[in-house]
Amino acid sequence: EAGVVQSPRYKIIEKKQPVAFWCNPISGHNTLYWYLQNLGQGPELLIRYENEEAVDDSQLPKDRFSAERLKGVDSTLKIQPAELGDSAVYLCASSWTGTGTTTQYFGPGTRLTVL
Amino acid sequence: ELKVEQNPLFLSMQEGKNYTIYCNYSTTSDRLYWYRQDPGKSLESLFVLLSNGAVKQEGRLMASLDTKARLSTLHITAAVHDLSATYFCAVDANAGGTSYGKLTFGQGTILTVHP
Repeated sequence: EAGVVQSPRYKIIEKKQPVAFWCNPISGHNTLYWYLQNLGQGPELLIRYENEEAVDDSQLPKDRFSAERLKGVDSTLKIQPAELGDSAVYLCASSWTGTGTTTQYFGPGTRLTVL
Repeated sequence: ELKVEQNPLFLSMQEGKNYTIYCNYSTTSDRLYWYRQDPGKSLESLFVLLSNGAVKQEGRLMASLDTKARLSTLHITAAVHDLSATYFCAVDANAGGTSYGKLTFGQGTILTVHP
């Protein structure tokens, strides 16, 4: 079974440029998450989707960050314009949210460097 | 606001020794996860603990949950070099019932096992 797929794996941009990250979750998973992980820290949730609906975006800096999950499958996270402080690893995770356990499975992440 | 604290943050062990990583959290929850992260890689799910007194074991790792003390432990038995990684605990911001799906991660414990 394929895991969570993310692209690109690495991205280097100059500040004020836009950037987008793509995520394809595990087949059949209805819930998709975007996390930000700074060096030496645990991941922090940015946004959570159940199917196509963003059910928790309270931690998403909406002035520059946006996300979408069309058709309840793939998702894109965008930053425009990027700032130096946005340099981090952006992780996508997915899970099946129903009864019982909801283990989140993580993708390899996109390492963003803003110069 | 849910806070999750791990200790120690850095752990240097000799092969063959035993040690415990502690995960304390600040609000009621009965759903806790342990993840492993190798350098430059994504997070791998190790254990899901769903109730007070839950104990899970896999190889040289054993995890337990005490919801009354708001404490989880990850015990390492007879450490080997392959266990070197960063270990994160994550708490679901929900008590009872179905998962809320919002994980709050600890800072991570960097484990290094020496010959």
